[in-house]
Amino acid sequence: DTGVSQNPRHKITKRGQNVTFRCDPISEHNRLYWYRQTLGQGPEFLTYFQNEAQLEKSRLLSDRFSAERPKGSFSTLEIQRTEQGDSAMYLCASSSSPRGQETQYFGPGTRLLVL
Amino acid sequence: SQKIEQNSEALNIQEGKTATLTCNYTNYSPAYLQWYRQDPGRGPVFLLLIRENEKEKRKERLKVTFDTTLKQSLFHITASQPADSATYLCALNTGFQKLVFGTGTRLLVSP
Repeated sequence: DTGVSQNPRHKITKRGQNVTFRCDPISEHNRLYWYRQTLGQGPEFLTYFQNEAQLEKSRLLSDRFSAERPKGSFSTLEIQRTEQGDSAMYLCASSSSPRGQETQYFGPGTRLLVL
Repeated sequence: SQKIEQNSEALNIQEGKTATLTCNYTNYSPAYLQWYRQDPGRGPVFLLLIRENEKEKRKERLKVTFDTTLKQSLFHITASQPADSATYLCALNTGFQKLVFGTGTRLLVSP
């Protein structure tokens, strides 16, 4: 399978703990995105990388959230001091960047539950 | 304020009929618009992309229209099947890299 993969698929944690999620994009894609989705809503943009550079961050991405893509391949999203409001599905997507084309391909998501 | 609106109520249709889903937006000038399918507990799956200078796009049983004057896109599934039951999301690209999604419309196709 050469699609976007995410690990873990599910994470249950206690409030105040730190969690880290990993995303492996489609291998030839240089762009990587993180989104968050809560029940009944569409995905909301969190942040975007082109290669290893983080080029945009949403206001939703508080100081407790940090994302990295150190070698321009896989990415990690860390949430420090988790809160119950962080419970959501965290989605990763990737795309290549031919001019005029921006189809994003999504992974299966990591579902986070903060108790 | 900027908004993307999709019917929040589920759309129930019978197998074989055409399903039509609506996406309306305000205060956006999208370079293109995309439709995704999402099954419960899964990530969105890309279906179709239509650019601002295109009126219509087709792929197999799927058809998308894009009216930048009305600020509306319609998504059609012809000869619908129970396997088409899912949530359908529209998403806008506004010239920047992120996608802005609607809340999605749940489609239920009954045998």
